[in-house]
Amino acid sequence: EDQVTQSPEALRLQEGESSSLNCSYTVSGLRGLFWYRQDPGKGPEFLFTLYSAGEEKEKERLKATLTKKESFLHITAPKPEDSATYLCAVFTQGGSEKLVFGKGTKLTVNP
Amino acid sequence: ETGVTQSPTHLIKTRGQQVTLRCSSQSGHNTVSWYQQALGQGPQFIFQYYREEENGRGNFPPRFSGLQFPNYSSELNVNALELDDSALYLCASSQASYGYTFGSGTRLTVV
Repeated sequence: EDQVTQSPEALRLQEGESSSLNCSYTVSGLRGLFWYRQDPGKGPEFLFTLYSAGEEKEKERLKATLTKKESFLHITAPKPEDSATYLCAVFTQGGSEKLVFGKGTKLTVNP
Repeated sequence: ETGVTQSPTHLIKTRGQQVTLRCSSQSGHNTVSWYQQALGQGPQFIFQYYREEENGRGNFPPRFSGLQFPNYSSELNVNALELDDSALYLCASSQASYGYTFGSGTRLTVV
């Protein structure tokens, strides 16, 4: 069964304090790994798709990387507006076409 | 280009009742998926429709059913509501296997 585990569950940072979020996965065949940002009571907002090990993508203060077993979302010099829950999801080759999500990491950035 | 819109935004129902949630897909997207997100959890796949046919289903009972219309809009119907059905229901549309765009969701509360 495809599984996605995100750590930590919650992370508190001071403004400007860089850190990384982890997403480890066990899947039958990875077709893509997605990162989403979700604000309270809202739907997930697309950030990145990664397709193969070694791939990296950047957007403003965020950088996503992918290995064969995990992905990292690096946040450089975060600002309070980066506070949100960050969700990782895999799109797999087996079974129904669907996204399998982790539980997310709730990030709080204090000013 | 419009995004994914869902209605209503909030809904309160009594246990045992039936509910219909609606979703308008992003322009040009012919695939729609529905997800259930309980508080503090990642979204869970309910089912997916492609060109008006269900082409994938998660571990949800038959009282969860859906429709996709020729204009690619969609409905999620839930019969015999239970307290555990209280959640944020998310609709996502896509054109190919990648690039899922989510709506803001419908918050369903069952009392």
